[in-house]
Amino acid sequence: DIQMTQSPSSLSASVGDRVTITCQANQDISYSLNWYQQKPGKAPTLLIHDASSLQTGVSSRFSGSGSGTDFTFTISSLQPEDIGTYYCQQFENVPVIFGPGTKVDIK
Amino acid sequence: QVQVVQSGAEVKNPGASVKISCKSSGYTFTSHCIHWVRQVPGQGLEWIGLINPSSGTTSYLQKFRGRVTMTRDTSTSTVYMELSSLTSEDTAVYYCARDLGVFRYFFDYWGQGTLLTVSS
Repeated sequence: DIQMTQSPSSLSASVGDRVTITCQANQDISYSLNWYQQKPGKAPTLLIHDASSLQTGVSSRFSGSGSGTDFTFTISSLQPEDIGTYYCQQFENVPVIFGPGTKVDIK
Repeated sequence: QVQVVQSGAEVKNPGASVKISCKSSGYTFTSHCIHWVRQVPGQGLEWIGLINPSSGTTSYLQKFRGRVTMTRDTSTSTVYMELSSLTSEDTAVYYCARDLGVFRYFFDYWGQGTLLTVSS
């Protein structure tokens, strides 16, 4: 199975800061990567699919980039409603694997 | 609008089975796979498997094969996941999630989650 890592595991930033999360696969997954946000006590929501495509209805302050084994997720200007945990997910191969998550909160 | 609604919380004894339902509305049920994902409290997300409601075809994570069964009822647009031989390690929130299509493997609508507690 493909293995996914994320860094950092948690971060604290100020409102308005640019926040970057990285996700790495242990083998080439092309552009087969999605990003989800999970707010406390809620189900995840899809933010980015196919590495860089913004899901319909999602704020443009979220963006993704990368291919192969290295991917980046960015919040251009952190807002209070962005607190939660962010997961990457590969779908190049079955089984689908999620990264371990990055917890984001406000400083 | 698309909705995916799960059945309520369950408490089971070790060794028992549980069957969780996931009812879809607002879209063509047979045009999208349904996946199941679980989350142990305080931990990450684990994909369990999927069902194609059109054909009934299923695919399960190897660790759950022999213990999980996913079925569907097209007349009520409902998918079911049955998990047997429960242990305390199965205590988790179980989510169903709609696939963007058929075997696209990304999840655009999620149920609210069903908390399963396995305890004697």
